[in-house]
Amino acid sequence: SYVLTQPPSVSVAPGQTARISCGGNYIATKSVHWNQQKPGQAPVLVVYNDDDRPSGIPERFSGSKSGNTATLTISRVEAGDEADYYCQVWDGNSDVVVFGGGTKLTVL
Amino acid sequence: VQLEESGGGLEQPGGSLRLSCSASGFTLSNYDMNWVRQAPGKGLEWISFLKSSGRTRYYADSVKGRFTISRDNARNLLYLQMDSLRVEDTAVYYCARGLGNYNALDVWGQGTTVTVSS
Repeated sequence: SYVLTQPPSVSVAPGQTARISCGGNYIATKSVHWNQQKPGQAPVLVVYNDDDRPSGIPERFSGSKSGNTATLTISRVEAGDEADYYCQVWDGNSDVVVFGGGTKLTVL
Repeated sequence: VQLEESGGGLEQPGGSLRLSCSASGFTLSNYDMNWVRQAPGKGLEWISFLKSSGRTRYYADSVKGRFTISRDNARNLLYLQMDSLRVEDTAVYYCARGLGNYNALDVWGQGTTVTVSS
């Protein structure tokens, strides 16, 4: 089965840039989506199809891919960005949705 | 555009529950739909998909043969029938709308809690 690997945690000071990675075999051939989940709340889509933003999501959130890794970049980090972030793909080989294990972003 | 789940509760192992997901602001039958769950303190786990056509369904191995996804077009409701429940099915269950060919989950409900315990 397809596996997406994320670091368990990332810490960043306010105003700095956070980068959250998501590794997977042949990820370059897949569309990667990113969801943000704040404590006690439902997830929210922040980036889809590698680098598109849904309406209402700040431009500070961006996505990219290189090699076997996708990256969610959050610029000018704010305290309100503190959350768990999950990458997600559709694995067409197995017809399943795959989530990464999630990364807890801490704003210092 | 909103989704709202209901039907969660406490059930014994081996029992059944049916979750409902009510859509407002859009028509369910025009979109692919998913169920995703989250066990206490754990990450997100996708469990089921229903294509907009209503003819294609996919399931995670962990629920295959026990859970069934379905839809009532007239009532604009999505369902998850859960049979042969296990303790490890304890989780918050979310319905989520799928966007585009690669199933980005662009609208999520607030979730309903299922607890399986004797």
